[in-house]
Amino acid sequence: GMPVEQNPPALSLYEGAESGLRCNFSTTMKGVQWFQQNHRGRLITLFYLAQGTKENGRLKSTFNSKERYSTLHIKDAQLEDSGTYFCAVEAHTNKVVFGTGTRLQVLP
Amino acid sequence: DAAVTQKPRYLIKMKGQEAEMKCIPEKGHTAVFWYQQKQSKELKFLIYFQNQQPLDQIDMVKERFSAVCPSSSLCSLGIRTCEAEDSALYLCSSSQSSETLYFGSGTRLTVL
Repeated sequence: GMPVEQNPPALSLYEGAESGLRCNFSTTMKGVQWFQQNHRGRLITLFYLAQGTKENGRLKSTFNSKERYSTLHIKDAQLEDSGTYFCAVEAHTNKVVFGTGTRLQVLP
Repeated sequence: DAAVTQKPRYLIKMKGQEAEMKCIPEKGHTAVFWYQQKQSKELKFLIYFQNQQPLDQIDMVKERFSAVCPSSSLCSLGIRTCEAEDSALYLCSSSQSSETLYFGSGTRLTVL
């Protein structure tokens, strides 16, 4: 298979803090997508990247296909950021494989 | 987010029964994926369709599941004989090639 590992597996942040999540994969990929899964199980699309960096408000993501990783940076964490964050990598065959997830808890 | 519709939202089956879940992909999307998620853990890839043709699937799907996408407007995932370990959230997603995946709300299957 194509193992996709995310680090850390779990993370706690206080409101206003910032941190980075990492997604590592074993072969070069065509693209990466980041999702937040909320407490109801709904998957919310955050970013799709085929290369480089994208930023949206307090979130920023980078994708380095050559070095085989992607990052998601959250700044000024808010309570509603709590949830599980998944990366999903797209192979050149178009198959999409999900990472192991990072469970984020934002504390007041 | 785009509108991928999954039905039913909840499904309860006894061990040994057949189960069927449906997915209506976003209009115009040519790729459809099914994933299984247990207890909010990682999403496990099950099967991938491109233009209604299955291009990749895991062994479990080949052996015990039935999945079809006969038209671009309706796909289904079935389990021929439910087992306890099939209890999970089943998520359908669709995309245009090389673009963002959009997900439905999922079907939560409980096998008693």
